[in-house]
Amino acid sequence: DTGVSQDPRHKITKRGQNVTFRCDPISEHNRLYWYRQTLGQGPEFLTYFQNEAQLEKSRLLSDRFSAERPKGSFSTLEIQRTEQGDSAMYLCASSSSGGGYTGELFFGEGSRLTVL
Amino acid sequence: GNSVTQMEGPVTLSEEAFLTINCTYTATGYPSLFWYVQYPGEGLQLLLKATKADDKGSNKGFEATYRKETTSFHLEKGSVQVSDSAVYFCALIKLLGNQFYFGTGTSLTVIP
Repeated sequence: DTGVSQDPRHKITKRGQNVTFRCDPISEHNRLYWYRQTLGQGPEFLTYFQNEAQLEKSRLLSDRFSAERPKGSFSTLEIQRTEQGDSAMYLCASSSSGGGYTGELFFGEGSRLTVL
Repeated sequence: GNSVTQMEGPVTLSEEAFLTINCTYTATGYPSLFWYVQYPGEGLQLLLKATKADDKGSNKGFEATYRKETTSFHLEKGSVQVSDSAVYFCALIKLLGNQFYFGTGTSLTVIP
């Protein structure tokens, strides 16, 4: 399977705990995105990497959230001191930026976070 | 600012009915427009796209035309199938931009 993979698919945690999600993009893609989706809403942009550099961060990304892409391949999204409002589906997407780039994103199946 | 507004659902249609899902956008400059689809239990996937005014995107019998004068990108299909049941998202990305703006999604259920 050469698509975007995310792990874990579902995480249930207690309020105040830390959680980490991992995303493995399509191998030849140098751009990686994190989005958050809540019930009945479309995906909302969180952050974006080109290779290992984090180039954009949304105001939605509070200081409890941190994302890394240390070697320009997989990425992690960590949420510290989780709150019930963090319950959502966290989506990872990747894309290329080479010739012929048309803006298409390739999404993983998402990691669902439930904070009790 | 940039935003996408799409018709609220849920939409329920009988098989072979005509489908329209409305989408309008607000953007500075000249965005590219997309329709993404999310089938049950799966990730979002690109359905079709249009990168400039008057372009028509098409795929799997679905079509949408980029209308700059009405800032719209309505999704249409002439004859829906049960397998088209999914959530459909309209989205835009600014030219050379890195941030997609998604609508809230429209759930479609097609009954036999």
